[in-house]
Amino acid sequence: GQSLEQPSEVTAVEGAIVQINCTYQTSGFYGLSWYQQHDGGAPTFLSYNALDGLEETGRFSSFLSRSDSYGYLLLQELQMKDSASYFCAARMDSSYKLIFGSGTRLLVRP
Amino acid sequence: DGGITQSPKYLFRKEGQNVTLSCEQNLNHDAMYWYRQDPGQGLRLIYYSQIVNDFQKGDIAEGYSVSREKKESFPLTVTSAQKNPTAFYLCASIQGSGNQPQHFGDGTRLSIL
Repeated sequence: GQSLEQPSEVTAVEGAIVQINCTYQTSGFYGLSWYQQHDGGAPTFLSYNALDGLEETGRFSSFLSRSDSYGYLLLQELQMKDSASYFCAARMDSSYKLIFGSGTRLLVRP
Repeated sequence: DGGITQSPKYLFRKEGQNVTLSCEQNLNHDAMYWYRQDPGQGLRLIYYSQIVNDFQKGDIAEGYSVSREKKESFPLTVTSAQKNPTAFYLCASIQGSGNQPQHFGDGTRLSIL
């Protein structure tokens, strides 16, 4: 079956760096997306990797290794507002369907 | 501003009742999606539509129905056959070309009375 695995919870200190890992098992694979969701809110897009390597967008970076079926989201200079759930999502085919992981709840402490 | 509008924000369903959740987008996006999210869980795909008058079942389509009569609208009906409908429902859309992200509406929270 199709699945994405990510840690359920991560805690870090304000100003620190945190990495959220995601491993995937899908029948097809076009790319890996990352979304942020605050409690009660809608997911918002953070990044997308179609090719191996690192994509950087401000304080957030995302990495993909297709050979390892693995990716991660790196958050730098953590702020209290970064406390949220983070989901990896795999695009499997040309239909733009996404399969989501169950999410990692990030708690940023002062 | 362009975006996706979901209504209502909160909805209550009685036993045996069908309810319809609205999703409208003015982004001129081709593809639209409905997801269900249970507390502490990820999003699961219910239905999706890549073009008008066509839609496909996702992973958990049983107990739900959709229509796509207009490009900008993709309503979801939660039927009485869906025995556990309490969840957060999210609608999303995407242009359908290139490495485009999915844009999400603010969601509808459905509960049983």
